[in-house]
Amino acid sequence: AQTVTQSQPEMSVQEAETVTLSCTYDTSESDYYLFWYKQPPSRQMILVIRQEAYKQQNATENRFSVNFQKAAKSFSLKISDSQLGDAAMYFCAYRHQGAQKLVFGQGTRLTINP
Amino acid sequence: NAGVTQTPKFQVLKTGQSMTLQCAQDMNHNSMYWYRQDPGMGLRLIYYSASEGTTDKGEVPNGYNVSRLNKREFSLRLESAAPSQTSVYFCASSALDRVLSPLHFGNGTRLTVT
Repeated sequence: AQTVTQSQPEMSVQEAETVTLSCTYDTSESDYYLFWYKQPPSRQMILVIRQEAYKQQNATENRFSVNFQKAAKSFSLKISDSQLGDAAMYFCAYRHQGAQKLVFGQGTRLTINP
Repeated sequence: NAGVTQTPKFQVLKTGQSMTLQCAQDMNHNSMYWYRQDPGMGLRLIYYSASEGTTDKGEVPNGYNVSRLNKREFSLRLESAAPSQTSVYFCASSALDRVLSPLHFGNGTRLTVT
């Protein structure tokens, strides 16, 4: 079974600085998708960024970018110019091609210090 | 622009009581899901429905039943609530016929079983 591991239960960063959240996954599949979701205190789950495994180019969405290392099965999220509104739980998630299910990591709570 | 709507937002039950969590989506998605979120464990899949008329077990189905009433609605029932079912429950939907389709989440139900 596929598993997703986020080894950092909590992270903190100064406002305007850069932070990287780690995610590793275990799979024997070659075609899959990876996602980062953000959950602010409102509890709503918000998609931050997504990556197809067959693409070598790392996905970027404004201040959010990923470092996808397929051989190492690593999918880290980099947040540049951190803002107070970035404070949230961040979840890494995996789904293989054709699968119905999305598998989530344990989450990382990110605090932004003003 | 409702998206995924879950009711209720909060619920307190006594051990042994039953209840149904309701979920409806207006995005014409085929796939719907129920997840539970517990501290340090991320989101774990309870049940999912790939299409109207089908349901399948996820990681943690014990103690729950589901009904895919129609394409829009997917309910989760606790027949005899237990304290171990205290959690935040999320309904989600997805159009998995489209590549990289993310999950769209409801706002969650916080359930406490005493």
